[in-house]
Amino acid sequence: DIQMTQSPSTLSASVGDKVTITCRASQTVYDWLAWYQQKPGKAPKLLIYKASNLESGVSSRFSGSGSGTEFTLTISSLQPDDFAIYYCQQYNSFSPLTFGGGTKVEIK
Amino acid sequence: EVQLVESGGGLVQPGGSLRLSCTTSGFTFSDYAMSWLRQAPGKGLEWVSFIRNTAWRGTKQYAASVKGRFTISRDDSKGIAYLQMNSLKTEDTAVYYCARPPSGSSWYFAYWGLGTLVTVSS
Repeated sequence: DIQMTQSPSTLSASVGDKVTITCRASQTVYDWLAWYQQKPGKAPKLLIYKASNLESGVSSRFSGSGSGTEFTLTISSLQPDDFAIYYCQQYNSFSPLTFGGGTKVEIK
Repeated sequence: EVQLVESGGGLVQPGGSLRLSCTTSGFTFSDYAMSWLRQAPGKGLEWVSFIRNTAWRGTKQYAASVKGRFTISRDDSKGIAYLQMNSLKTEDTAVYYCARPPSGSSWYFAYWGLGTLVTVSS
């Protein structure tokens, strides 16, 4: 199985801050990586696919980068609506598809 | 508009069974692989199973944690995906989501249902 490790697990930030979340894979996933945002009681929302492609309708504040085993999700200027939990998911290997443990972005 | 609606969750005793349904609309169901994922209370996301579309012979994959106990299926005539869950364990307690990729053969999830809660407890 490909293990996905996110850091940090919790991040405290203020509105307007630039935020970076890291996701590391235990083996290469090339650029087959997605990022999701989840708010309490809601289903996850796709933000980024293929490591750096912004999903339609998602704010350009969000950007993704990386390839191989190291990836980042950046929020350029944190907004009140961005406080949530963020997950990465690899889809290079679908046996099984795996997610990172999540990064909670909370208000500082 | 793409819509996915899960149903069939509830309280069940350990060792029991439940069948979840994912009723879809707004797209040609037979063109897409469908997946089930879950999220235990306060925990992260876990992929459970997927079933490919009929062009790929409807082949199925399962997470090791559910293999041999859960069975995924689909009814293309009704636009419904199912997850039959047998021999349920307390650790199967979670919100179960069905999800669809943006295109027929992708393996990330652009569309999600709201989820249905399964509680396994005596």
